[in-house]
Amino acid sequence: DIVLTQSPGTLSLSPGERASLSCRASQSVTINYLAWYQQKPGQAPRLLIYGASSRATGIPDRFSGSGSGTDFTLTISRLEPEDFAVYFCQQYGSSPPTFGQGTRLE
Amino acid sequence: EVQLVESGGGLVQPGGSLKLSCAASGFTFSSFSMNWVRQAPGKGLEWVSYISSSSSTIHYADSVKGRFTISRDNVKNSLYLEMNSLRAEDSAVYYCARGYFDWFNPLLDSWGQGTLVTVSS
Repeated sequence: DIVLTQSPGTLSLSPGERASLSCRASQSVTINYLAWYQQKPGQAPRLLIYGASSRATGIPDRFSGSGSGTDFTLTISRLEPEDFAVYFCQQYGSSPPTFGQGTRLE
Repeated sequence: EVQLVESGGGLVQPGGSLKLSCAASGFTFSSFSMNWVRQAPGKGLEWVSYISSSSSTIHYADSVKGRFTISRDNVKNSLYLEMNSLRAEDSAVYYCARGYFDWFNPLLDSWGQGTLVTVSS
């Protein structure tokens, strides 16, 4: 199984600042099939980024994804109050699909 | 608007059974693959099972293989997860999630709100 390790575990920032979240895979992610999801307390996850760098429908352009192979980054260019949440990465190119343990943005 | 509404969760004893349902609306259910994903309290996400649009292809996580059965009814626009021989470690919120692709590369583009399953004596 591909293990995804997210860092940091918790990121403490203020509105208006830039956030960079890392996701490292134990082996290369097939066709860069790497997604990022946002989850707020008591809510279901929401797809933000797929294919490592493509924004899902309706996602603001302050969210961007980058990376390839084993190293991926989610960047939020300028934090809004509603962006404080937990973020998960997921690889969906190899079986079984796996998720990172999450980064809490506070 | 895509809507996925899970139901059927609850408290069950170890070794017991439960059947979850997910009612879909706002899209052509029969054209999309579907998945179940679970999240233990305060923990991360774990993919559980996948079913293709026509039910021809099914996959399970090793942790539930042989105990859980995924199915769907494209007339009723519903997805199901039958869970047997439940263990304490199966306790989680179970989400149904739509697959972006019909083949087994589970990019999950819409999620329900989840239903809580608690396995305890």
